[in-house]
Amino acid sequence: SYELTQPPSVSVSPGQTARITCSGDALPKQYAYWYQQKPGQAPVLVIYKDSERPSGIPERFSGSSSGTTVTLTISGVQAEDEADYYCQSADSSGTSLYVFGTGTKVTVL
Amino acid sequence: QVQLVQSGSELKKPGASVKVSCKASGYTFTSYAMNWVRQAPGQGLEWMGWINTNTGNPTYAQGFTGRFVFSLDTSVSTAYLQISSLKAEDTAVYYCARVAIVVVRWSYYYYMDVWGKGTTVTVSS
Repeated sequence: SYELTQPPSVSVSPGQTARITCSGDALPKQYAYWYQQKPGQAPVLVIYKDSERPSGIPERFSGSSSGTTVTLTISGVQAEDEADYYCQSADSSGTSLYVFGTGTKVTVL
Repeated sequence: QVQLVQSGSELKKPGASVKVSCKASGYTFTSYAMNWVRQAPGQGLEWMGWINTNTGNPTYAQGFTGRFVFSLDTSVSTAYLQISSLKAEDTAVYYCARVAIVVVRWSYYYYMDVWGKGTTVTVSS
């Protein structure tokens, strides 16, 4: 089955930049989406269509795509950004409409 | 505002059934399909499938056929997830999430734009 691979953890100091990658063979053909999940809470969409930001999401969240890797960048990280982040996309055939990445824990030092 | 309100936590014995509800408000219920997502304790997100809120037709992801049933009551804008013959490994948080679609040059791309707060189902003897 199709997999999206993320690093298990990323640590960053407040005010610095965090970059979370997500790799998958179908990413050149499919858009990626990113969700933030804080402990005990539901996921929240922070990026859609690779790089678009939903209303209400701070500008410090941005997304980019290059080949088989997409990246979520959090610029000027704040303590409140500490959370798990999941990428989501689909396989190239469209058989599996939603595939989630393995998740990345962002720790603000 | 758009929101999905899920039913409360459930504690069930192995072999029992459970029905989780997800009530939508703030938008036209039948204009958006609904997903179900499972998150086992300490684990990641797992897509279970979706239901077409116009036709009631469900689609189940691999691994969620047989004991899992999606249903609707459009008169009260509510989607349901029923799990039968519960097992300990069904212990998880179950989320409903609205389907959002991006259309680019006649191709469709799917994601989830609004989520319920989740329903914890615990299966234990």
